[in-house]
Amino acid sequence: DIQMTQSPSTLSASIGDTVSISCRASQNLNRWLAWYQQKPGKAPKLLIHETSTLESGVPSRFSGSGSGTEFTLTISSLQPDDFATYYCQQYNSYITFGQGTRLEIK
Amino acid sequence: QVQMQESGPGLVKPSQTLSLTCSVAGGSIKRGDSFWNWIRQAPGKGLEWIGNIYHSGTTYYNPSLKGRITISLDTSKNDFSLEVKSVTAADTAVYFCARGRMNFFDSWGLGSLVTVSS
Repeated sequence: DIQMTQSPSTLSASIGDTVSISCRASQNLNRWLAWYQQKPGKAPKLLIHETSTLESGVPSRFSGSGSGTEFTLTISSLQPDDFATYYCQQYNSYITFGQGTRLEIK
Repeated sequence: QVQMQESGPGLVKPSQTLSLTCSVAGGSIKRGDSFWNWIRQAPGKGLEWIGNIYHSGTTYYNPSLKGRITISLDTSKNDFSLEVKSVTAADTAVYFCARGRMNFFDSWGLGSLVTVSS
């Protein structure tokens, strides 16, 4: 199984800040990594796939980078709607998710 | 994008079988570029992929759950289903169905809470 480890588990930030969330894989993923945003009581929403491809309709302040085993989601100029939990997901071998990063208002 | 909706009992007794159906609207379940997935989320926890099915009927299951899981397709109804056998309290979760595009998920149902309790 490929294990996915996100850090930090919780991140406190203010409106307008730029934040980064890290996702580390136990094996090489090539570029087969996606990022999701989930709000309480809702289904996750796809933000990025194939490491850095922004899904249609997702604001350009979201960006993804990385390769191999190290990946990053960056959110620039945080907006009130961005405070949520974020998950990475690998799809190189079967499918596994990171444990999530909760982004909260400072 | 397609619209997806889970349905099924909200309460299942331990050792019994959990059954859910996902109805798909706005697109055919027979499309060749999609996998049809089940994902669950225990209360306050992260996401766990359960398995998926391709329009041909080919299935892939999470190895940690294999042996208890069956996913099937009904093309006449444009839906797909999940069965989890021999459930325990650890199977209590919100169950989501989702469309997979190259095995990331671009459309999700609202989720269905299933509680395992006597």
